[in-house]
Amino acid sequence: DTGVSQNPRHKITKRGQNVTFRCDPISEHNRLYWYRQTLGQGPEFLTYFQNEAQLEKSRLLSDRFSAERPKGSFSTLEIQRTEQGDSAMYLCASSHLTGMNEKLFFGSGTQLSVL
Amino acid sequence: AQKVTQAQTEISVVEKEDVTLDCVYETRDTTYYLFWYKQPPSGELVFLIRRNSFDEQNEISGRYSWNFQKSTSSFNFTITASQVVDSAVYFCALSDVNYGQNFVFGPGTRLSVLP
Repeated sequence: DTGVSQNPRHKITKRGQNVTFRCDPISEHNRLYWYRQTLGQGPEFLTYFQNEAQLEKSRLLSDRFSAERPKGSFSTLEIQRTEQGDSAMYLCASSHLTGMNEKLFFGSGTQLSVL
Repeated sequence: AQKVTQAQTEISVVEKEDVTLDCVYETRDTTYYLFWYKQPPSGELVFLIRRNSFDEQNEISGRYSWNFQKSTSSFNFTITASQVVDSAVYFCALSDVNYGQNFVFGPGTRLSVLP
């Protein structure tokens, strides 16, 4: 069990460019979450998957954001036509749906800076 | 809607002092879960505790203790004999039984433990 892995750790891009982040959850975890965290704030929910199905998306998630989880394993989060307001830490978390004892395990995040 | 308030933005203590981090939550659900996470400078959120709404027994784990008061909708976290390694941002979180977008975080409290 190597924990939740996110790549890259840091991404600097110019406004208008597309970026893609990857998350590898803990193996056999069937739920995968994406959160966004800005400076001084708590993480804000973006979307989550149960296996390969994307079950919920936040109203925060504009059409420029898309997430996938092919085959229910790793997930990617793509942001098209980045804007300076997209600068944030993007966190991935995974969990094993066990009912009463479910808890989220987080990765170290991808820090995005849009210039 | 679920909401978590952490009124203390920043706290500074001297090593070996005890410190309590406050958390107040709002929910209309009768069954819900409360969490505390620690976010050290490395960025990864580390799970500390999960508490079910029907279990009001307080919990102690080493230097950490949690006081769950359903009557005041509070779930406070105390660190006894604080250490420099406790310096981090601490988040309280609340979820309903479905998790997903109903897993919400408070704004966090930044704890600095000075030597």
